[in-house]
Amino acid sequence: NAGVTQTPKFRVLKTGQSMTLLCAQDMNHEYMYWYRQDPGMGLRLIHYSVGEGTTAKGEVPDGYNVSRLKKQNFLLGLESAAPSQTSVYFCASDPTSGGQDTQYFGPGTRLTVL
Amino acid sequence: GQNIDQPTEMTATEGAIVQINCTYQTSGFNGLFWYQQHAGEAPTFLSYNVLDGLEEKGRFSSFLSRSKGYSYLLLKELQMKDSASYLCAVRAAGNKLTFGGGTRVLVKP
Repeated sequence: NAGVTQTPKFRVLKTGQSMTLLCAQDMNHEYMYWYRQDPGMGLRLIHYSVGEGTTAKGEVPDGYNVSRLKKQNFLLGLESAAPSQTSVYFCASDPTSGGQDTQYFGPGTRLTVL
Repeated sequence: GQNIDQPTEMTATEGAIVQINCTYQTSGFNGLFWYQQHAGEAPTFLSYNVLDGLEEKGRFSSFLSRSKGYSYLLLKELQMKDSASYLCAVRAAGNKLTFGGGTRVLVKP
């Protein structure tokens, strides 16, 4: 099992450009999440999905869109990138079985917006 | 709303003990998690508490007091490889986790 994978690992954008980050998981998890991590601010939830075809807003959704067309994939889109979106983006999936079994994280995507 | 507080940074000596505190105020509670995150890497699960008391896992222990909204992570016999950030996270409604800002632990020889 590859677990949770993210592509790309690094990206530099110019202000106003668009891009899509891909998250894939091979654990058949229902729930998937997108976070951003900025220095000193921990992980903040952008959007999440509780199953194929569903999406919901998290704590900081503005400027981002998501889609979950297939259960194993969760895409994060930036339509018009801004310097404030420079961050490290983590995807996670969750088996939702409760207890200590919780979110598994991908390796992250480092995004710089100039 | 959700609020989770933990110290920003701690320094300790190799072989010593360090205690990282976490206080939380959340609407609902369904478990508290500690993650370890090395620089440039993803968070990895360390420990889980849902009932009051101490959970021990080798050199790492985690304590929870639900009435006080308080947890701590205890790292014993510190090793250089323990230099990392430690994230406290609370699971409230549903399966969503709310994270604190993380505590960077620097282990010195």
